[in-house]
Amino acid sequence: DAKTTQPTSMDCAEGRAANLPCNHSTISGNEYVYWYRQIHSQGPQYIIHGLKNNETNEMASLIITEDRKSSTLILPHATLRDTAVYYCIVETSGSRLTFGEGTQLTVNP
Amino acid sequence: EAQVTQNPRYLITVTGKKLTVTCSQNMNHEYMSWYRQDPGLGLRQIYYSMNVEVTDKGDVPEGYKVSRKEKRNFPLILESPSPNQTSLYFCASSPLVTGVRYEQYFGPGTRLTVT
Repeated sequence: DAKTTQPTSMDCAEGRAANLPCNHSTISGNEYVYWYRQIHSQGPQYIIHGLKNNETNEMASLIITEDRKSSTLILPHATLRDTAVYYCIVETSGSRLTFGEGTQLTVNP
Repeated sequence: EAQVTQNPRYLITVTGKKLTVTCSQNMNHEYMSWYRQDPGLGLRQIYYSMNVEVTDKGDVPEGYKVSRKEKRNFPLILESPSPNQTSLYFCASSPLVTGVRYEQYFGPGTRLTVT
């Protein structure tokens, strides 16, 4: 599975959009991009996934570049409860997930 | 409510004393998995199961056993725990349909300390 690179930490003001980048330059054609988050040692929570088209759900939007080598998770209106570690994972089936260190997002009041 | 439950949530034990961490899901999911989480190493998969009586090793299976006798349960067994198995453990489940990508549902975690 392709390796991902994410910033270690990011800050965002409450109510503003949080844009979390992820590089996956070695992604292969059948690998999906998944985003999960983990709030303070709770079980990870699924956010969104995509293959090559941009995706949106009630939690977030996922923007994947045309060459698929990078993506951005967008939380449109961040709240304090969005403070968490965000993991970008690329994988073929969604089952054998390999979590890196992720990005610690801190939403400030 | 659809959920994955783990028991116990916290456990302190001594080296060599066999223990079992239970995992149960009420969503009729085929796929279940165990992860451990350690500082600086992220979450690593221990074992996974594609269905009843079908289990396979993940990335860090040494020192662990699992069984899948029923679809809803996937216990993690430490036959002879050692201090290096002190960790935060998560169970997860998801449906498994060929060609379809599903999210994994994670349990609340079990914090294990082996002294």
